[in-house]
Amino acid sequence: GAGVSQSPSNKVTEKGKDVELRCDPISGHTALYWYRQSLGQGLEFLIYFQGNSAPDKSGLPSDRFSAERTGGSVSTLTIQRTQQEDSAVYLCASRSPGQGTYNEQFFGPGTRLTVL
Amino acid sequence: AQSVAQPEDQVNVAEGNPLTVKCTYSVSGNPYLFWYVQYPNRGLQFLLKYITGDNLVKGSYGFEAEFNKSQTSFHLKKPSALVSDSALYFCAVRDDGNNRLAFGKGNQVVVIP
Repeated sequence: GAGVSQSPSNKVTEKGKDVELRCDPISGHTALYWYRQSLGQGLEFLIYFQGNSAPDKSGLPSDRFSAERTGGSVSTLTIQRTQQEDSAVYLCASRSPGQGTYNEQFFGPGTRLTVL
Repeated sequence: AQSVAQPEDQVNVAEGNPLTVKCTYSVSGNPYLFWYVQYPNRGLQFLLKYITGDNLVKGSYGFEAEFNKSQTSFHLKKPSALVSDSALYFCAVRDDGNNRLAFGKGNQVVVIP
């Protein structure tokens, strides 16, 4: 079946502009995660959605970052007033509800964001 | 809090030789451990996981990992490395108290023909 998809694959923007990154999880996956991958920094957790529960936003680095998940499926990560330090690859992952939370996450290809 | 350490930035190995990528972890509860691989310009792909049971876990592409509770380690191994194994490898852990994975910084593996 189809995997996790993300769009756009690349985004170049100017400092101060807003950007929206989209994630389409695997159908039926109730858990959805956003991560940020910076060069040499590994993966940084941003936000976690699980079904209809309130999202875990504890990883968002500032109030310029927000995310929503509509209808329990597609998610959008929004970065307002982008800064150069926001440049990174933004990865989305989803996880199936089977076997509780032990299941592995499936990752999308990422969106490479460059802020000039 | 949970955390992962991958002490080596890069691992170089000759094709056909054994490959080991090291990982140690810290959790407050029972650990759930994962290895992922990332090929250039691709997302992360799941390799294997330890939840409970046998300490030796076998995964995709001939990889395996051994859970060692006393050393808090979960090293990834492959008996005979291939050039195509050259990639970035991430170890991750979560404890049974939350749903968030903590990832290590990753190890770049370079398999030399």
